[in-house]
Amino acid sequence: GEDVEQSLFLSVREGDSSVINCTYTDSSSTYLYWYKQEPGAGLQLLTYIFSNMDMKQDQRLTVLLNKKDKHLSLRIADTQTGDSAIYFCALKTGTASKLTFGTGTRLQVTL
Amino acid sequence: NAGVMQNPRHLVRRRGQEARLRCSPMKGHSHVYWYRQLPEEGLKFMVYLQKENIIDESGMPKERFSAEFPKEGPSILRIQQVVRGDSAAYFCASSARDREGEQYFGPGTRLTVT
Repeated sequence: GEDVEQSLFLSVREGDSSVINCTYTDSSSTYLYWYKQEPGAGLQLLTYIFSNMDMKQDQRLTVLLNKKDKHLSLRIADTQTGDSAIYFCALKTGTASKLTFGTGTRLQVTL
Repeated sequence: NAGVMQNPRHLVRRRGQEARLRCSPMKGHSHVYWYRQLPEEGLKFMVYLQKENIIDESGMPKERFSAEFPKEGPSILRIQQVVRGDSAAYFCASSARDREGEQYFGPGTRLTVT
C-alpha cells in the first residue's frame, strides 16, 4: 500500500518561513493535499495540487511537487503563532476515492 | 452554509456498549467518508459511502463496525461491543459527486471507551 512519511516536529521563529516536507512511495498519486489540524479540532483543507503540476502558490502558502523524487513540500511564508498546528500531507491515488495520510508534522512557532 | 457536522463531539462508552456516530455532509455533497485517528497518529481511511450504497469499505474492521448512509438523514458509523482499542477520534468527510478530490472534514467525534 501507499506509504507517506513526514518528520514529526518543526520549530520556527515568528516571521521566518516554515518548510514542511512529505515523501511518498506510490507514483500514481493524482491529488496531493495539505491539511491543518489545530488541537482538538478537525482537519482544515489548506491547499492541494494536481500531480501534473510542479508548484502552486496561494497567498502565504507555496506547494512544491517533485514527482521524480516523490517529494511534496509546504512552505509557509512569514509564519505566525496562529500557524502552530499539526500539518498532514495526504494523497489520492489512481481511481480510489480514499485519502492516505502522513503521520503529521507538529509546527511550533516561537516568539 | 454549514460545513460537515458530526455529533456527538465527545462520546464515552463502557466496554461492551454500542457507539453510534453521526455525520451530516455539507449541503450539496452526496459522498461521505469515515476516517479514524488513533492518538498521535495520522488518519486512516475506513469507509466510503454514497446515498444507500457502500462503495469502498476496505478500511473497516471485519467485525463490530458498520456504516450506512440512508436516503434520508445522516450517515451513521456504528461500533458494537466497544473495546478500549476503539478509543480514537472519528472524522467524517464529504465531497460533491463530481469533486471527489475535494474532501472537507467535520470536527470529529472523540470516542473514549472506559
